[in-house]
Amino acid sequence: AQSVTQLDSQVPVFEEAPVELRCNYSSSVSVYLFWYVQYPNQGLQLLLKYLSGSTLVKGINGFEAEFNKSQTSFHLRKPSVHISDTAEYFCAVSFLNTGFQKLVFGTGTRLLVSP
Amino acid sequence: AAGVIQSPRHLIKEKRETATLKCYPIPRHDTVYWYQQGPGQDPQFLISFYEKMQSDKGSIPDRFSAQQFSDYHSELNMSSLELGDSALYFCASSLEGRTVLGSYNEQFFGPGTRLTVL
Repeated sequence: AQSVTQLDSQVPVFEEAPVELRCNYSSSVSVYLFWYVQYPNQGLQLLLKYLSGSTLVKGINGFEAEFNKSQTSFHLRKPSVHISDTAEYFCAVSFLNTGFQKLVFGTGTRLLVSP
Repeated sequence: AAGVIQSPRHLIKEKRETATLKCYPIPRHDTVYWYQQGPGQDPQFLISFYEKMQSDKGSIPDRFSAQQFSDYHSELNMSSLELGDSALYFCASSLEGRTVLGSYNEQFFGPGTRLTVL
């Protein structure tokens, strides 16, 4: 079965602390991996993506993620968060057994950054 | 840079009414995707079109239909609306969205249409 799991529905963290948002997937085929951010009442913005090559990918706003094929994970990290990072974060996967690149999203993780 | 345009941004309908959501892709993008995001939920893929033909279908109810026109804009038609149809509907566009190993054409998302069914 093909699925995407974000185990943490909410992650509270203090400003300037590091954070990791977890994402695991299940697939028997190759995948493309993405992280999107959604601010309140706004659309989805791409943070970063992994297609191939280096397993450590850097995105916008200081975020990075590491693809671990053996653990089928793609965790998102930031070494020092800001209040403005408070948002909903979605992990998404494109499974490469279909002809077209629809995205399957995880259930999202709400990052709450407090002073 | 031009982005994906969705209209209307907000829509309020009564149960059993009909709604039409429109999506205007980024110029030269030929692939359109529709996603539905219920309150507190993750976006769910509904349907996609490539070169005016349906390319993939997800969890789209039979009461919904969609099409892509010659100018590549797309419309999502929703009939016999139910309370559970209240959601944020996203449209995304890309260049040819075929899966070719090693390449990817990014999906750019519109701001969404918030549909409220009363």
